[in-house]
Amino acid sequence: QSVLTQPPSVSAAPGQKVTISCSGSSSNIGNNYVSWYQQFPGTAPKLLIYENNKRPSGIPDRFSASKSGTSATLGITGLQTGDEADYYCGTWDSSLSAGVFGGGTKLTVL
Amino acid sequence: QVQLQESGPGLVKPSETLSLTCTVSGGSVSTVSDYYWSWIRQPPGRGLEWIGNIYYSGRTSYNPSLKSRVTISLDTSKNQFSLKLSSVSASDTAMYYCARGTIAVAGTWGQGTLVIVSS
Repeated sequence: QSVLTQPPSVSAAPGQKVTISCSGSSSNIGNNYVSWYQQFPGTAPKLLIYENNKRPSGIPDRFSASKSGTSATLGITGLQTGDEADYYCGTWDSSLSAGVFGGGTKLTVL
Repeated sequence: QVQLQESGPGLVKPSETLSLTCTVSGGSVSTVSDYYWSWIRQPPGRGLEWIGNIYYSGRTSYNPSLKSRVTISLDTSKNQFSLKLSSVSASDTAMYYCARGTIAVAGTWGQGTLVIVSS
C-alpha cells in the first residue's frame, strides 16, 4: 500500500489530453514539493516535474503539473503513442522523515 | 553531467546481506551542496519504493519499514556511496536504483541493477 494514491491506469486517444492524480496528506503533499517521473518498460525512471510544476531541461511543455492542498495532478497534452509509460508521483513525508511514491499509473494511448 | 552506475552481486541468499555500490562520475559525493544520494528499489512488476538517502555530510534518512536492516554510507575516496540491506528475503528481490537529487527528488538515476534473493 503506497502512501500516495494514484489511479492504476488512464487512457486517451492520440492528440488528446490526459490527467493523472496523486493524492496524499498534510504530512506529505500538503507541505512538501511534488515530483513526477516517467518510466518506460525496462528502463530507469526519468524526472518529468520537480517542485510541483517545474520541468527539467529537455522536458517538453506538453507535460505540466499542479498541486492543490493534499493532491497533485500531472497533465499531458497532445498525447503521442510514445507517451505510453508508467508515471509516478513522489514527495517527502515530514511525519515519516522519508521519501514516498505513489503506486504508479499506466498510461495507454489508444 | 553527472552519471551514476550501480554494481554488486545479482544473486543473494536468504538471510544474508545485500551490498551494492553506486559509482558517481561527473560530480562529487563529498562536495558541499544541496544534493542527496539516494537508493530506490522496484520489485518486478511493481512500483517504486524509496529506501533511503545520504547527504555529503554523512547524514542519513531511511524508510521506516526498512530502517532496522539498512545502512547507506559514503566512500569519498572512491566517489561512491553504498547500500547494505541485511537479513534479506525473497521480498527484497527488486531492481535497485541509485540516484542524485534533492531530499525528495531523484533528478538523475543510474540504470539500475537487478538483485534476486534465492538459495
